[in-house]
Amino acid sequence: QVQLVESGGGVVQPGRSLRLSCAASGFTFSTYGMHWVRQAPGKGLEWVAVILYDGSNKYYADSVKGRFTISRDNSENTLYLQMNSLRAEDTAVYYCATGTIFGVVSPDFEYWGQGTLVTVSS
Amino acid sequence: QSALTQPPSASGTPGQRVTISCSGSNSNIGSHYVYWHQQLPGTAPKLFIYRNNQRPSGVPDRFSGSKSGTSASLAISGLRSEDEADYYCAAWDDSLSGWVFGGGTKLTVL
Repeated sequence: QVQLVESGGGVVQPGRSLRLSCAASGFTFSTYGMHWVRQAPGKGLEWVAVILYDGSNKYYADSVKGRFTISRDNSENTLYLQMNSLRAEDTAVYYCATGTIFGVVSPDFEYWGQGTLVTVSS
Repeated sequence: QSALTQPPSASGTPGQRVTISCSGSNSNIGSHYVYWHQQLPGTAPKLFIYRNNQRPSGVPDRFSGSKSGTSASLAISGLRSEDEADYYCAAWDDSLSGWVFGGGTKLTVL
């Protein structure tokens, strides 16, 4: 079955960096686009970034553009989110979710991980 | 404020039909498919509707989606206690070159 397992969250000081990982299994990772979506405590969902199946295109929310970088390693079936210059408002649970399948009519956000909590605080 | 507007709350009694709205613009709902997600307390979101009105396998047919112009709706018929959750709409936005989510609607089953 499809599994997405996020890791790398924790407490970090403002201005510092953190890298999140999302380990994928149970599907052909290299054919799926992948998303990061976050949820601040008690708040709604906020889309963060998406990367196409081969890493050729990436899109970011304005709130993280220039600070966060989405990447993937298809040989390791892993998605990453490098977060730099972190701010208090980046505090959230970060979820990875699947995107569309290359060459196939398929939905975005079909599968979600359980999330990893990032807390930015001094 | 979110690019997609949802009512913060909705409610109904068991067996009733409830509708949750999602209002956007030409750059998002007006041009692209609408998605709906359900989030139960303390859990990850779950895809409930994609491409405006398609249900993933396992989603009860009590749930249906529709879209008209720059607005979309999620309808739940035969309301059940287990439907109590937060519901979010989402769509791609051409102006932002990214996805946008609605602020979410908390559904209470009275």
